[in-house]
Amino acid sequence: NAGVMQNPRHLVRRRGQEARLRCSPMKGHSHVYWYRQLPEEGLKFMVYLQKENIIDESGMPKERFSAEFPKEGPSILRIQQVVRGDSAAYFCASSPPNKAGSNTGELFFGEGSRLTVL
Amino acid sequence: QQQVKQSPQSLIVQKGGISIINCAYENTAFDYFPWYQQFPGKGPALLIAIRPDVSEKKEGRFTISFNKSAKQFSLHIMDSQPGDSATYFCAASPWGATNKLIFGTGTLLAVQP
Repeated sequence: NAGVMQNPRHLVRRRGQEARLRCSPMKGHSHVYWYRQLPEEGLKFMVYLQKENIIDESGMPKERFSAEFPKEGPSILRIQQVVRGDSAAYFCASSPPNKAGSNTGELFFGEGSRLTVL
Repeated sequence: QQQVKQSPQSLIVQKGGISIINCAYENTAFDYFPWYQQFPGKGPALLIAIRPDVSEKKEGRFTISFNKSAKQFSLHIMDSQPGDSATYFCAASPWGATNKLIFGTGTLLAVQP
């Protein structure tokens, strides 16, 4: 039973380019979360998605960042016109719904995508 | 209101000693408090979690102590081992709503042999 799969593991972009990070949740999980971890800091919530819906994007920067979780395929975190401050590790996590449709508590994290902006 | 404050930032413990990491929160809506363990180059993994209806939860060498009135909780690692060397994050969220965890800033634990 594969865990949360993220790719690429490492991504280097020049300022102004676009970065696309992909996340496949664990089998049976329908909730996906993206977190950002800056060097020497904790994980900061960015966005929470269910299939075809953004549930909570309160942690997403208003510009250049977007996320989707289509009916088919992985969740995508897209960063347009990257700047050096976007350099960070981006973690995806997934969780299963409980019987009532809300969450059970535990998040299962992938190994992260490390973005370096030159 | 949304912050979880974690201390110390780093901790060095001798093998066999007790490691203690503390966290404090302000939002009284929080009622789920997990601890995550992260090794270098890996994603965080759930270690142990507690809800406020109990004051302590123990799993093997790991214990969470919870003080609801003080809005504080801590992780104790008994008989610390070099393999426990990692970064530990406390977190908090309201139970069942969105599972949007608010993380502390992390504690880098080094257990010396």
